[in-house]
Amino acid sequence: AQSVTQPDIHITVSEGASLELRCNYSYGATPYLFWYVQSPGQGLQLLLKYFSGDTLVQGIKGFEAEFKRSQSSFNLRKPSVHWSDAAEYFCALIKAAGNKLTFGGGTRVLVKP
Amino acid sequence: GAVVSQHPSWVICKSGTSVKIECRSLDFQATTMFWYRQFPKQSLMLMATSNEGSKATYEQGVEKDKFLINHASLTLSTLTVTSAHPEDSSFYICSARDDGGPGNTIYFGEGSWLTVV
Repeated sequence: AQSVTQPDIHITVSEGASLELRCNYSYGATPYLFWYVQSPGQGLQLLLKYFSGDTLVQGIKGFEAEFKRSQSSFNLRKPSVHWSDAAEYFCALIKAAGNKLTFGGGTRVLVKP
Repeated sequence: GAVVSQHPSWVICKSGTSVKIECRSLDFQATTMFWYRQFPKQSLMLMATSNEGSKATYEQGVEKDKFLINHASLTLSTLTVTSAHPEDSSFYICSARDDGGPGNTIYFGEGSWLTVV
């Protein structure tokens, strides 16, 4: 069965510093991969997605993610974080032929002034 | 971008009553929608997959008679929590798969806070 692992439960970063959130997946083929962000008390917003093609994917809010097949990873990055980036971030995958999202446990990002 | 709307955002109900939460895809059709429950500081727990025109598929351990799901159109799915009890208080989130979008892109609603008193 497929799985998604986000090794970091919490990350604290200073405003203006760079951010990288790790995501590793387990699946026999190349899945569809997603990053979502959830602000406190709200639903999830899609940041970006990878289906195929260019392995560096650009998303909204200045985020990007890189798919690395050899490492089974799909890490999310942002060069310079803003205080409004404080939130919970979820990595997720869908099997190419399936419907259900499989979520990682999430990474909570705290931004220091 | 694609929008999924949930209503109500907040609801308080008395123990023993039923409450309905709506999930609408506003600018796309969704044959398949999903209902999740999220406990504080935890990831989302999939409750059921809602399929337009057919019965929902429930995850193991989810009581189908307690959490009634109806998906009567390609843009609307409803979750009814029947005979609600305080332990049903939670954050419920729906999502919808865009039938016309590339791949399997799934968009989420804003969530609904249910408090049972």
